[in-house]
Amino acid sequence: NAGVTQTPKFRVLKTGQSMTLLCAQDMNHEYMYWYRQDPGMGLRLIHYSVGEGTTAKGEVPDGYNVSRLKKQNFLLGLESAAPSQTSVYFCASSPEGDFDTEAFFGQGTRLTVV
Amino acid sequence: AQSVTQLGSHVSVSEGALVLLRCNYSSSVPPYLFWYVQYPNQGLQLLLKYTSAATLVKGINGFEAEFKKSETSFHLTKPSAHMSDAAEYFCAADNFNKFYFGSGTKLNVKP
Repeated sequence: NAGVTQTPKFRVLKTGQSMTLLCAQDMNHEYMYWYRQDPGMGLRLIHYSVGEGTTAKGEVPDGYNVSRLKKQNFLLGLESAAPSQTSVYFCASSPEGDFDTEAFFGQGTRLTVV
Repeated sequence: AQSVTQLGSHVSVSEGALVLLRCNYSSSVPPYLFWYVQYPNQGLQLLLKYTSAATLVKGINGFEAEFKKSETSFHLTKPSAHMSDAAEYFCAADNFNKFYFGSGTKLNVKP
């Protein structure tokens, strides 16, 4: 199994450009998440989804949009990129449950906005 | 909202020495707690998780963590550090399937 796959792995954008990050999971997980990782700040939740067709805001949602049209895919969009969005982005998924829930992570996307 | 605090952004130990990475959570209701490890240029990998079954949790690579409700802590330990343990470690709390992460602790292991 591939687990959680993110594409692309690296990207450089100019300020004002748009792009979409794709996350795909093959574990039939209900929950999916997008985080950004910045030095000294850990991982901060951008948006998440509790199931196909649903999305919700996390801690730092401004400047990002998401969609979950298919259960296995969770897309993160930047409509007008800003230098403050330079970061490493991680997608994760988790099964629904109370006791055995854990988050499974992709390898990350390193985004630089110049 | 749930929050997780990791004390010490950088910890340096000698090979063979005890590793202690600190994590405190803030919640009146103990959440599910996790420790993840991140090696350079990789994603996060689960080390261990606390799900209320036992207060001392053993994980992979010889790591363990003890949940102490009275101290709202979930510190990570390993009796003897290896060079391969050098990585960044994140404590996380799960509150209704939303995961909150601490700011991370980079572990350096000196030969």
